[in-house]
Amino acid sequence: QVQLQESGPGLVKTSETLSLTCTVSGDFIGDQYWSWLRKPPGKGLEWIGTIYSSGGTNYNPSLRSRVSMSVDTSNDQFSLKMTSVTAADTAVYYCARLGGVYDSGSYIIHFESWGQGTLVTVSS
Amino acid sequence: DIRVTQSPSSLSASVGDRVTITCRASQSISDYLSWYQHKPGKAPQLLIYAASTLQTGVPSRFSGIGSGTDFSLTISSLQPEDFAIYFCLQSFTMPYTFGQGTKVDIK
Repeated sequence: QVQLQESGPGLVKTSETLSLTCTVSGDFIGDQYWSWLRKPPGKGLEWIGTIYSSGGTNYNPSLRSRVSMSVDTSNDQFSLKMTSVTAADTAVYYCARLGGVYDSGSYIIHFESWGQGTLVTVSS
Repeated sequence: DIRVTQSPSSLSASVGDRVTITCRASQSISDYLSWYQHKPGKAPQLLIYAASTLQTGVPSRFSGIGSGTDFSLTISSLQPEDFAIYFCLQSFTMPYTFGQGTKVDIK
């Protein structure tokens, strides 16, 4: 069974860059889609973006100008970078694996496996 | 963006109760909806995908129904381990968006 574990600094200064890594175990990172999501305190979950193991990405338009993702298949890890952070970026950040099913010719995706999440606080 | 309105935001129930949580999308999303359970400090768990398909290993007391804009998750007989937060996700269109969550606690 696949397991995901987020890691990175728990405190980031305002205007600096947030960097997180997700380590995948129990399965090969290749040929799959991986995502980052976050939950700010008191708010709902937000999808940040998705990366395919070969490097193709899709980002939430609300964050696209500040976000980048990458994959390191040799170490079964994928990463998130978010620049110019503010207090509004304080959140629990989750990594997840996408799953999907074909239904009447359409591919319906869902988040099949998640990490436990890591709290990132942005403060000056 | 597609807005997903989940209700109720919280509910209190007893072991053995039947519990239903709903999600309404701001436009039709066919059956591109999934349900998750989240316990504090743990990884969220997929319960239902494609609106009504039970994820492998999830107890059969969980069920999902709906299509278009209206969806529901039902727990037929609440068990002690079911007290948690439940949320839905629409994956019809990017950006994928979530319901606000429903906290199910003990009455």
